[in-house]
Amino acid sequence: KAGVTQTPRYLIKTRGQQVTLSCSPISGHRSVSWYQQTPGQGLQFLFEYFSETQRNKGNFPGRFSGRQFSNSRSEMNVSTLELGDSALYLCASSLLGPQAGNTIYFGEGSWLTVV
Amino acid sequence: QKEVEQDPGPLSVPEGAIVSLNCTYSNSAFQYFMWYRQYSRKGPELLMYTYSSGNKEDGRFTAQVDKSSKYISLFIRDSQPSDSATYLCAMSVGTSYDKVIFGPGTSLSVIP
Repeated sequence: KAGVTQTPRYLIKTRGQQVTLSCSPISGHRSVSWYQQTPGQGLQFLFEYFSETQRNKGNFPGRFSGRQFSNSRSEMNVSTLELGDSALYLCASSLLGPQAGNTIYFGEGSWLTVV
Repeated sequence: QKEVEQDPGPLSVPEGAIVSLNCTYSNSAFQYFMWYRQYSRKGPELLMYTYSSGNKEDGRFTAQVDKSSKYISLFIRDSQPSDSATYLCAMSVGTSYDKVIFGPGTSLSVIP
């Protein structure tokens, strides 16, 4: 069974640009959630999509957005990139959602560097 | 003060040692406690999940929650080089992950 696939794995962008990251969940999983991981702030929840609808959203500015397609694949977009957006962006999929107690499966992440 | 604190390490132990990883927290409303393991350049994977206080054992791993002290621990017995990773604690008030707070992680190295 294929795991969660994230692309691209590494990318470098310039301040002010925008970026789109992609996530393919495990087959059959309808929930996709996104996280930002930085050394200073740790792992922080961005948002969760379930059957193409955003169900939960973390405390991030509107520059961070996402969407989910009918095949459960998801994309997240960050506009007007800032240096502080440099981070590892992780996608996780699960059958029912990222509630405590449910197993969620993380991808290997997309490493974003903003210069 | 951060809501969840964790010694970042690095923690280096010889193979076979008992490892103790700890987190302290400030929000007494936390009810759900989790431990994740993250290998270098990989995403985290859920190791243990406990609700409220008490102990939970799974193979070489034991998770312990002391709500009165606002302190949780993960013990690894007979540590192996394959246990070398960063361990993240995580906790939440309810069951929804948008309220889950993750610790910064402790880096563990098990030396053969």
